[in-house]
Amino acid sequence: DTGVSQDPRHKITKRGQNVTFRCDPISEHNRLYWYRQTLGQGPEFLTYFQNEAQLEKSRLLSDRFSAERPKGSFSTLEIQRTEQGDSAMYLCASSSLAGGPTDTQYFGPGTRLTVL
Amino acid sequence: DQQVKQNSPSLSVQEGRISILNCDYTNSMFDYFLWYKKYPAEGPTFLISISSIKDKNEDGRFTVFLNKSAKHLSLHIVPSQPGDSAVYFCAASFDAGKSTFGDGTTLTVKP
Repeated sequence: DTGVSQDPRHKITKRGQNVTFRCDPISEHNRLYWYRQTLGQGPEFLTYFQNEAQLEKSRLLSDRFSAERPKGSFSTLEIQRTEQGDSAMYLCASSSLAGGPTDTQYFGPGTRLTVL
Repeated sequence: DQQVKQNSPSLSVQEGRISILNCDYTNSMFDYFLWYKKYPAEGPTFLISISSIKDKNEDGRFTVFLNKSAKHLSLHIVPSQPGDSAVYFCAASFDAGKSTFGDGTTLTVKP
């Protein structure tokens, strides 16, 4: 078990470009989450999947953001027409929903996005 | 409307003493609470959790206390070590869904 991995670790792009991030969860974890974190704040929920189904998406999430988890394993997060306000750390987490209220999420190292 | 609040942005303690980090929440639906530790340029690392049916959970030097009537939880680290210096995030969830995080407390443990 190598933990949650994310690729790339760093991404610098120009405003208006599209970017895509990948997350590989802990194997056999059926839930996968995306969060965004800016300096001085805690992680902010973006969306999450149970297997391949996207169960919830933040109301704050712009239509420029889209996420997929096509086979219930890895996930991608795409940002179209990036803006400088999109600069942040994008975190992925996974968990194994075994039933009951407890759902400990384990985080990856994050992708640091800088939009110039 | 911030549902999870960590009112102390920073805390400094001497090595060997107790560190107490606090967290308040407003949503009474939360049924699971977690503490994460974060180093710069890394993702949060899970530390300890507590279900709403309990009021205390202990794991080595770390103990989490939950006071549901006050909607308050705290993390105690005893004894504190310089390696504990990091940003600590409190998080809460309900019905095994997304987590809502506080803005973190930076703990500095001085040798």
